Amino acid sequence: EAAVTQSPRNKVTVTGGNVTLSCRQTNSHNYMYWYRQDTGHGLRLIHYSYGAGNLQIGDVPDGYKATRTTQEDFFLLLELASPSQTSLYFCASSEGQGRANTEVFFGKGTRLTVV
Amino acid sequence: GEKVEQHESTLSVREGDSAVINCTYTDTASSYFPWYKQEAGKSLHFVIDIRSNVDRKQSQRLIVLLDKKAKRFSLHITATQPEDSAIYFCAAKNYNQGKLIFGQGTKLSIKP
Repeated sequence: EAAVTQSPRNKVTVTGGNVTLSCRQTNSHNYMYWYRQDTGHGLRLIHYSYGAGNLQIGDVPDGYKATRTTQEDFFLLLELASPSQTSLYFCASSEGQGRANTEVFFGKGTRLTVV
Repeated sequence: GEKVEQHESTLSVREGDSAVINCTYTDTASSYFPWYKQEAGKSLHFVIDIRSNVDRKQSQRLIVLLDKKAKRFSLHITATQPEDSAIYFCAAKNYNQGKLIFGQGTKLSIKP
C-alpha cells in the first residue's frame, strides 16, 4: 500500500501568517498533488507536479505556492494566509500518466484554520 | 477549464437496494475515471476505476459504466449495506497531462 504522509495534521494560524504544509511519499511516484476540500466544492486542485523541480498550476492556485524539492517531498506554501484558505488540505501521489498504474493515493489530510 | 460534474449531492437508499451516482466530464482527452470513497472524518480511498478502452467494469457489488460519446460515467452499488454510507467522489484524468479533476461528491446514506 502506497504511503503518503502529511504534516502537520492540524494547524491554526492568524490572518497574514506564513504557513507551510508538508507532504512525503515513499513510493517513488512521479505525480504529486495538493487539493483542498470544502463543502459544496468537493476536491479542488491547487497545484501538482510530475517530478522534482517541476510545478504545474491547478484550478485554484491563487494565494498558494508549491515546491517539489525531491521525488518524495512536495510542499504547499501560504505566505499571507487569509480566512478564505481555512480548509481541509489533501496531498496525493500517483505513479504517472498513460496506461501505467494511475491509482492516486491520498494522505490523511491537514486541517488548516486561519483566524 | 476542464470540469467534472457530479449530479447528486445527496442520495438516500434503503439497505439492499441499488444506488447510482452519475458524473459528466468536459475534457475529451480524459481517459481514466476513478471513484473514491470518504468515510466520515477520514481520507479518501480508491474503490474502483475504469479506463476509456472499456465501457463497463465490475468489482463485486460495484459496477462502473462509461459512455464516452455522452462524456458520462456512473457508479452502481448493488445490494447496498450500511457500511456503504459515505461520500463518493468521481474523477477524470487526462491521458497526457496527468491532471486529476474531481466532482463535488455525493453523500450516500443507506437506510435500514
